[in-house]
Amino acid sequence: QSALTQPRSVSGSPGQSVTISCTGTSSDVGGYNYVSWYQQHPGKAPKLMIFDVSKRPSGVPDRFSGSKSGNTASLTISGLQAEDEADYYCCSYAGTYTVFGGGTKLTVL
Amino acid sequence: QVQLVESGGGLVKPGGSLRLSCAASGFTISDYYMSWIRQAPGKGLEWVSYISSSSSYTNYADSVKGRFTISRDNAKNSLYLQMNSLRAEDTAVYYCTRGRGAARPYYFDCWGQGTLVTVSS
Repeated sequence: QSALTQPRSVSGSPGQSVTISCTGTSSDVGGYNYVSWYQQHPGKAPKLMIFDVSKRPSGVPDRFSGSKSGNTASLTISGLQAEDEADYYCCSYAGTYTVFGGGTKLTVL
Repeated sequence: QVQLVESGGGLVKPGGSLRLSCAASGFTISDYYMSWIRQAPGKGLEWVSYISSSSSYTNYADSVKGRFTISRDNAKNSLYLQMNSLRAEDTAVYYCTRGRGAARPYYFDCWGQGTLVTVSS
C-alpha cells in the first residue's frame, strides 16, 4: 500500500495553466481507470474534483481536467484563479483498497 | 442537503480506545459504500477502511488492520469506527466519506468536516 508520487509543489500565474502529475504502478494507476482528484483548502475537508480519470462532478468548473497515460495520471487546471490555490491529492483504486498521493501544494502567484 | 457529521474524537493515551461516529443526512447510507479516511497533522490523506452497503464486506489499511473495526447501522443512517490499541501515529483528523463505485469505492464524493483524534500520554 505505497503512496502515489506527486510533486510537492507547483505554481502558476493567474490565467495560466498548470499540470499536476501522479505516478503509481501497474497495480493501481496503470491497472484501473479509477483515478480521482481532490482539492483541499486549509482547514477544510477535501472536495472531489475529478473521478474515473477524467469525469467532473456537477459544479466543478471545466477548467479542471484529468487524464492518464500508463502509470501516470495528470490534473490540469487552465485559466488559473486565485481560489485555485490549495492542496491537491490524487487517489487510485488498487484492487481491494484505495491509495492516495502525498499531495501537491498549488500556489497562484 | 447531503451531509456527514463526525463525532467522538478527542485525546486518548497510547494503548487506549476510542469510537468514532458519523451521522449522515440528506441521503440513505444503505445505498452506498462508506469509508474512513484520515489525515495526520500537516500530512497527506490516508485511506483507513471501507464497508459495503450491507456490511458483508470490509477492508482495512495495513497500518490499522487488527486494531480498528468499521461498522454501520443503516437504520440509524450512521457509520462507526472502533479504534483499539491506539498509537501516537494514529493521531489525525478522521474523515467520514461516501464511496462511489460499482464493486468497491473507487472515489469519495462526500466528506464530513472531520474529527481530531490525538494519541498522547
